[in-house]
Amino acid sequence: DGGITQSPKYLFRKEGQNVTLSCEQNLNHDAMYWYRQDPGQGLRLIYYSQIVNDFQKGDIAEGYSVSREKKESFPLTVTSAQKNPTAFYLCASSIAAGGSEQYFGPGTRLTVT
Amino acid sequence: QKEVEQDPGPLSVPEGAIVSLNCTYSNSAFQYFMWYRQYSRKGPELLMYTYSSGNKEDGRFTAQVDKSSKYISLFIRDSQPSDSATYLCAMSHASGGSYIPTFGRGTSLIVHP
Repeated sequence: DGGITQSPKYLFRKEGQNVTLSCEQNLNHDAMYWYRQDPGQGLRLIYYSQIVNDFQKGDIAEGYSVSREKKESFPLTVTSAQKNPTAFYLCASSIAAGGSEQYFGPGTRLTVT
Repeated sequence: QKEVEQDPGPLSVPEGAIVSLNCTYSNSAFQYFMWYRQYSRKGPELLMYTYSSGNKEDGRFTAQVDKSSKYISLFIRDSQPSDSATYLCAMSHASGGSYIPTFGRGTSLIVHP
């Protein structure tokens, strides 16, 4: 089955700890994205990557970091510098950077206390 | 003013009703228009994808784009309780070689038996 996987589904961390969220896709898509979703706020773009070893900041990149060492993988690290990290995080991919049709993973709910 | 406006609802309708979901936007450069369905605690699922103005139909779903009014709609015929979800509109245009979509905040739809 082709698709996007995110793990884990739920993640709990203590304040001050860095945490890495996994995103893997087997759709052979070039572009990958990370969004944050908060209640009533819609989707906000954190980072995106159009090709391997290259990525750009989105609207709310502060306190986050990413890497794109393989086409299939785009992990997101939520650092201790992120002031309000508790949220629902969604990974998406599209066939190319010019492809507007994004396909989403199931999401990871991160809770930081 | 946000680039994409979407009434958060909730919109409550009886089973079998025709549902109309709408978004307005301010950026006349938008060329690609999408509708996503998101069930609670899941990732968004692409429902409809339209380029420029006009209508597109897929089963019980019809997407309509009116670029002159900067207004897009999603119609759901013969609505079912399983259609209860949040519906997100998204739209994009070429910007620096990529087509990163801008999302509305989503409309919560409840279809009651």
